[in-house]
Parts: sequence; structure tokens; C-alpha cells
Amino acid sequence: EVQLVESGGGLIQPGGSLRLSCAASEFTVSSNSMSWVRQAPGKGLEWVSTIYSSGTTYYADSVKGRFTISRDNSKNTLYLQMNSLRAEDTALYYCRGYSSRSSFDYWGQGTLVTVSS
Amino acid sequence: VVMTQSPLSLPVTLGQPASISCRSSQSLVYSDGNTYLHWFQQRPGQSPRRLIYKVSNRDSGVPDRFSGSGSGTDFTLEISRVEAEDVGVYYCMQSTHWPHSFGQGTKLEIK
Repeated sequence: EVQLVESGGGLIQPGGSLRLSCAASEFTVSSNSMSWVRQAPGKGLEWVSTIYSSGTTYYADSVKGRFTISRDNSKNTLYLQMNSLRAEDTALYYCRGYSSRSSFDYWGQGTLVTVSS
Repeated sequence: VVMTQSPLSLPVTLGQPASISCRSSQSLVYSDGNTYLHWFQQRPGQSPRRLIYKVSNRDSGVPDRFSGSGSGTDFTLEISRVEAEDVGVYYCMQSTHWPHSFGQGTKLEIK
């Protein structure tokens, strides 16, 4: 059974940094499209970043220059390095592995990031 | 691309049909001819789950009472007969253009 397990969230002061991880099982991170999607408390879904199997990366304007998506193929793990965190980055961060062309779409349970002093 | 869903709240009687509209601010037809418009369901307290990909393709395990249709900038998710387990928030999402974007969500509840 495919599993995506996020970790690394927590309480962080504005301006601080966090690195989120998404460990995959029964699923190869490097062979698939992977995204981070976040959801602020009581709000809707917001796409954050995507990395393709080719290694090409994309970012939402709201996080460009502050967040970096990456993967470690040997650990089969996806990462999101988050720097210069702001209060508006407070959200539940989901890891997603998917194909837009076929029936293949998996989500983790999310990891909560709270940016507050 | 701005994705606009309507209605934002949808009270439905069990066994009755439901329909959610999603409109995009520009055409979602990609250069390869495909339209990358997808529908997600988020049940209370759960992670999102994709129901429909590329407008009308049901994901594995999705009941056939869910169907998607549309083209260009106008899309619809239909539930033929609403069941109690369908309660939650439904989102459309486009992945034709960068940045990818979600609609605001439509909250389906049982009347």
C-alpha cells in the first residue's frame, strides 16, 4: 500500500526556517510528480510547489525565493525547505504524489506549521 | 488562472442529485490537446482525495455516481444521488497553467 508520511512541522517564530519531509513507501518519489499543497486553518487548498521526475521545479508566487522543493532519491523522500517564514505560512502542509494523465494520486496526512511569536 | 466555484455551499437531500460549477479565467486546454482540470473531495478531518482527472476521468475506487464534464473554461462535477459519505468540501483544480490553482471549495452538506 502506498504511503506518504510528512514530518517536520512545528511552532516557529517569524523569520525562522523549517524543513518538511515526506517519506514514501511502495512509491518511488523520483519517478513521479510530487507537490506540496497547504491549507490554512479553516481555509481552502493552496498549491505551493511541484517537482517533476525530470527535476524541474515550480513555486507559487507567495513562496518563491523563500521555499525550496527537493528530493533525496536514496531515501525516497521529498522535502520542502522553508525560510523567512511568515505568519501567513501557517497551515497544514500536505505532500502529494500524482499523475495528471492517469489514475494515480496519493496524499499524506499533513504536517502542521505554525508561525508565531 | 483564477478558478471560481459555485455554489460555495450546497445543501442536498439524501438521494438527490448535486452539481458544482467551476469556471476558469482562461482556457484550460493545454498545448498537447488535453484539459488538465481535476476535482477533489475533502471529507471532514481527512486529507484531500482526487475524484476526477482531466475533466471526466474517474479515479480508481471512485463511485460511478460521480461524473465530470465541461470544456474550455466551464466545468461541472455532478453527483447523481448524494449519499451521507459525500459530505465534505469539493475543489476543482487546474494544472494546465503555472502556477497551478484551486477553486475556493464547495461545502456539501445534507439537508
